[in-house]
Amino acid sequence: KAGVTQTPRYLIKTRGQQVTLSCSPISGHRSVSWYQQTPGQGLQFLFEYFSETQRNKGNFPGRFSGRQFSNSRSEMNVSTLELGDSALYLCASSLEGARGYGYTFGSGTRLTVV
Amino acid sequence: DQQVKQNSPSLSVQEGRISILNCDYTNSMFDYFLWYKKYPAEGPTFLISISSIKDKNEDGRFTVFLNKSAKHLSLHIVPSQPGDSAVYFCAAKSEGAQKLVFGQGTRLTINP
Repeated sequence: KAGVTQTPRYLIKTRGQQVTLSCSPISGHRSVSWYQQTPGQGLQFLFEYFSETQRNKGNFPGRFSGRQFSNSRSEMNVSTLELGDSALYLCASSLEGARGYGYTFGSGTRLTVV
Repeated sequence: DQQVKQNSPSLSVQEGRISILNCDYTNSMFDYFLWYKKYPAEGPTFLISISSIKDKNEDGRFTVFLNKSAKHLSLHIVPSQPGDSAVYFCAAKSEGAQKLVFGQGTRLTINP
């Protein structure tokens, strides 16, 4: 079966712009989570959606937002981009939430802010 | 406030020997721990997990040990193979929480 698909794979944006990243979960998965990976910081949790509702939110500024559609696809938006937003953004999907082998990551979107 | 810490950014091990990756945590509410492996340009892939009611879980060449009193877990890989060269992340979860808290990662290099 198809895995978690993230688009685009790479993105270059200018400071002050906004960006939208997309995540298509594994078919049947209703939970989608987003993480930011930066060197030396590991993966930092952004938010989690389940059946179109945000259930959890990490400690990120309001410039970071997301949503989930009825088909479980999710988008993440970052407004007023800053240089420090340059990172690999990963999404993970699962049937219900964060638990072991069923929690599958996509390959990520590499965002570079210049 | 780093609740999950991997204090070794890198580790180099000879092929065939044992690789031991360590992870410490501070939050006593964590009840489930996981290890992920990540290759460049790919997302993390799940390796092995352990519940807080256990102290050991084994899956083939991979064994995870949990020492709750020390708030420490480790991943043992025996024998190490060249394909094991990757970045390894430990992660933890609290009951009812729908997020994973990750360490910073350890880059493992297996030398032939």
